Amino acid sequence: DTEVTQTPKHLVMGMTNKKSLKCEQHMGHRAMYWYKQKAKKPPELMFVYSYEKLSINESVPSRFSPECPNSSLLNLHLHALQPEDSALYLCASSPAPSGRVYEQYFGPGTRLTVT
Amino acid sequence: GIQVEQSPPDLILQEGANSTLRCNFSDSVNNLQWFHQNPWGQLINLFYIPSGTKQNGRLSATTVATERYSLLYISSSQTTDSGVYFCAVVMGYGNKLVFGAGTILRVKS
Repeated sequence: DTEVTQTPKHLVMGMTNKKSLKCEQHMGHRAMYWYKQKAKKPPELMFVYSYEKLSINESVPSRFSPECPNSSLLNLHLHALQPEDSALYLCASSPAPSGRVYEQYFGPGTRLTVT
Repeated sequence: GIQVEQSPPDLILQEGANSTLRCNFSDSVNNLQWFHQNPWGQLINLFYIPSGTKQNGRLSATTVATERYSLLYISSSQTTDSGVYFCAVVMGYGNKLVFGAGTILRVKS
């Protein structure tokens, strides 16, 4: 089973709201990722967690706050977003810890609209 | 950082035709993946191919790491092949997957 699940599928939020995106995998992977994809653009890496610890933050604004409560779950907490943050947010996982290279598997994404 | 270039940017095919998509990268890589993104946004893994040749049904891929390019072949195309095809690479040892700009494929019936 190579499934990564994400909830919700769609989210509309105001600029003053607080919301969270959730990602889950049960493949025993120890690296998990958040990517952001704007319309007609490729995905861009936001964060990497290895063994539940944040290993890469691609200079993402603090209004995006990642959390990895256990090896199967990855959350992205959203607060005070701007309309330009509207995008498809993709979660991925891979079997590799930092320092090794393995295939990444992606979830279906959460389509976020900020009004 | 590493540069990943895909060509062509757009491709329109008649159903049943064959096509070749290309991915050039600017430095040696330890990971190369091909993905198909369907109209709903799902990224589907096609190949994990840092070097060599692989085949899966009507699709095959070849990566020539020493010459820094990879090719994705689609034979007997179907309308369900439509979507965006991405090449993505990892340089060195790490987890940062860098995507090319993609090839938009439209297959007409």
